[in-house]
Amino acid sequence: QKEVEQDPGPLSVPEGAIVSLNCTYSNSAFQYFMWYRQYSRKGPELLMYTYSSGNKEDGRFTAQVDKSSKYISLFIRDSQPSDSATYLCAMGSGGYNKLIFGAGTRLAVHP
Amino acid sequence: ETGVTQTPRHLVMGMTNKKSLKCEQHLGHNAMYWYKQSAKKPLELMFVYSLEERVENNSVPSRFSPECPNSSHLFLHLHTLQPEDSALYLCASSQIRDYSYEQYFGPGTRLTVT
Repeated sequence: QKEVEQDPGPLSVPEGAIVSLNCTYSNSAFQYFMWYRQYSRKGPELLMYTYSSGNKEDGRFTAQVDKSSKYISLFIRDSQPSDSATYLCAMGSGGYNKLIFGAGTRLAVHP
Repeated sequence: ETGVTQTPRHLVMGMTNKKSLKCEQHLGHNAMYWYKQSAKKPLELMFVYSLEERVENNSVPSRFSPECPNSSHLFLHLHTLQPEDSALYLCASSQIRDYSYEQYFGPGTRLTVT
């Protein structure tokens, strides 16, 4: 079993839709949870960072962590074509800030 | 662009060549990382440096040789690579402290081994 599972998609939605992206994980020691956005031919860009459980909101983006279910989500409201990218979940615990990444979900938002 | 830069952005090399990738971080961080990103696969952590000391080497073949001369610079020296080493190589930096775990990435070097 992979430590982090993420549906690769692709996920195609119309502009304005609410998008839900998810990851599951198996290591209950994970305490730090992140979402990265990666545009084609670019490096990953940190979108959201959550420590332990709970919700965090930043503009159109909401990150949720449910440690009891080992499940994290990223919601994008009022999606825009500029949101079209690959979204990577990442999580970690322990020393040296090491992260384990999901394979990424490719999202396409069409006008 | 973030506070992490990488050069070159693209590199094509033969299997017998020797080349180096360079990474520089302008964020004042104390840890740096090399990752390999292949299509449809999760990022693979290759090396971790903390305060210029290598603290992790994830079973990476010896044809990849990292170097961290100071906390702002990281190199990946390449020699006698294989075609399966073609990938996007990403550098990242982080500040190791309590409750801080974020890593910040550079744009990557797209490597093609012919």
